[in-house]
Amino acid sequence: DAGVIQSPRHEVTEMGQEVTLRCKPISGHNSLFWYRQTMMRGLELLIYFNNNVPIDDSGMPEDRFSAKMPNASFSTLKIQPSEPRDSAVYFCASSTTGTAYNEQFFGPGTRLTVL
Amino acid sequence: LAKTTQPISMDSYEGQEVNITCSHNNIATNDYITWYQQFPSQGPRFIIQGYKTKVTNEVASLFIPADRKSSTLSLPRVSLSDTAVYYCLVGPFSGGYNKLIFGAGTRLAVHP
Repeated sequence: DAGVIQSPRHEVTEMGQEVTLRCKPISGHNSLFWYRQTMMRGLELLIYFNNNVPIDDSGMPEDRFSAKMPNASFSTLKIQPSEPRDSAVYFCASSTTGTAYNEQFFGPGTRLTVL
Repeated sequence: LAKTTQPISMDSYEGQEVNITCSHNNIATNDYITWYQQFPSQGPRFIIQGYKTKVTNEVASLFIPADRKSSTLSLPRVSLSDTAVYYCLVGPFSGGYNKLIFGAGTRLAVHP
């Protein structure tokens, strides 16, 4: 089992550029989550998909952020235009609804630096 | 979702037992208590979940009193590799609800 796969692992870009983060959830999982982690704000849930449908996007900070899940095996988080305050580690996690322990499996994260 | 309160940081030494207590006074009847562990430069990892009394697995034990307003994560005989941030989360488990809210966590430092 490869676990949750995220790419790229590191991204450095300049303010105003578009950034796209990618996630491949664990096969068979029907829930997918995008989180952002910073020293100041900790780990924040940005958006949550269930069966490819966005269920809760109340954590998406601004219209500059958008997320899609075109199929069960792929999701993207896009920031356009990016700003220095978007610098953070972005985690993707997946889980299976209704199973024991409600466990979420996290990917290794993408460290984004916006200059 | 019930708010949780846990210590910001704790220190321990190798071989000691570590107990991290989490307060959740407003826990609802259908809420479960879940703990995650996060090592530096990694995503959080599920440790244990429980509803009441005691739960034990190969990593930790979780003690939950009858009123469920608090819970204690117990790590037996910690090693340096247990240095991590530990998060206490409270939320409903069933019915397809799958949203978890992470608080500040407890930063555990294990010393030689």
